[in-house]
Amino acid sequence: NAGVTQTPKFQVLKTGQSMTLQCAQDMNHEYMSWYRQDPGMGLRLIHYSVGAGITDQGEVPNGYNVSRSTTEDFPLRLLSAAPSQTSVYFCASSYSTVGNTIYFGEGSWLTVV
Amino acid sequence: TQLLEQSPQFLSIQEGENLTVYCNSSSVFSSLQWYRQEPGEGPVLLVTVVTGGEVKKLKRLTFQFGDARKDSSLHITAAQPGDTGLYLCAGSNTGNQFYFGTGTSLTVIP
Repeated sequence: NAGVTQTPKFQVLKTGQSMTLQCAQDMNHEYMSWYRQDPGMGLRLIHYSVGAGITDQGEVPNGYNVSRSTTEDFPLRLLSAAPSQTSVYFCASSYSTVGNTIYFGEGSWLTVV
Repeated sequence: TQLLEQSPQFLSIQEGENLTVYCNSSSVFSSLQWYRQEPGEGPVLLVTVVTGGEVKKLKRLTFQFGDARKDSSLHITAAQPGDTGLYLCAGSNTGNQFYFGTGTSLTVIP
């Protein structure tokens, strides 16, 4: 039972480079989201999706793009990496938002130099 | 803007002590959840509360949802080293977003 799988686990980027963090879930969840976690800031929502073909912005969307072509996959793209995007990124999924368990991936540690 | 504020931010206690973590907001939530996160891993759900005033117990952990559904508390009795971790509250409403608190880092010293 894979749950939520995100890759890569670790990545170092140079300022200005682009990259994609991959996320896949095998639980047939409609709701998927990306968070970043920084010390003392908890988890902040970047983008979310309530189903295939539907995406929306969260609290901190600038510098990131997402797409949801299938129910299973929700990649996060960094368009032009900046040092301020150094963080730990978590992909998550749930059946819906209200009262349902959020399942998280193991995290992706991104450093932008 | 952080919708959910947790206190304290850091807590270091001796094994066997009791502690309470608070999660406060000015917003009303349809449900509130508590998660625990260990280093190098994603958060894992501990409990969901959905009714104002609701109290749930999970072994030595007691969770309460405020009557107005704006706040919650987590009480741990006789803390053990295995309780060490980052505790996060998360609220959801009729909008399609989960809002996470700032987190409480708990260290239980043997």
